[in-house]
Amino acid sequence: SAVISQKPSRDICQRGTSLTIQCQVDSQVTMMFWYRQQPGQSLTLIATANQGSEATYESGFVIDKFPISRPNLTFSTLTVSNMSPEDSSIYLCSVAQGASEQYFGPGTRLTVT
Amino acid sequence: GDSVTQMEGPVTLSEEAFLTINCTYTATGYPSLFWYVQYPGEGLQLLLKATKADDKGSNKGFEATYRKETTSFHLEKGSVQVSDSAVYFCALDTGRRALTFGSGTRLQVQP
Repeated sequence: SAVISQKPSRDICQRGTSLTIQCQVDSQVTMMFWYRQQPGQSLTLIATANQGSEATYESGFVIDKFPISRPNLTFSTLTVSNMSPEDSSIYLCSVAQGASEQYFGPGTRLTVT
Repeated sequence: GDSVTQMEGPVTLSEEAFLTINCTYTATGYPSLFWYVQYPGEGLQLLLKATKADDKGSNKGFEATYRKETTSFHLEKGSVQVSDSAVYFCALDTGRRALTFGSGTRLQVQP
């Protein structure tokens, strides 16, 4: 299975600022995903990030708020822009491998004050 | 749209009790089904999967059978341990490789 790391592991940010989260994979993967897990809630898909194309966003998520980069097959970033307390969540990246498996990074715990 | 419904928690059991966590789904086509586990303070881990009807996924004593006729994928374990205390998520993939998750079920096992 892929080994996925994320930076930072946690951060406390002020309202109105932006934070960029990095996701690094130890092998080349085509499909990467970004999810949000709000406190006590399940995971919600933000977007799919494929190398060489624009990210595909799910309903309720927009590029201006959550810009994503995917410069190569092992790396992606998610930026949370103009943050508000409602953005306080755990943000996770994941990769698709094999016929159906998907593996997750450890997550970035974001608190917005 | 696709959706996954899980039984609400928390589920509290004594050690060595039998565990069932119900999961039903709504999806177009024939999705792959998964159970993920999130231990306290840790990331999300794939526990088991099934990719077609009547398949049984199993891992670490946990089992789940893909039942197309009842659109269910219930998680079972014959004898739970304190170390099984975690949040369990049922999820599906209809082929686009992105997962739709259930709300999660917290399991607490008491010694």
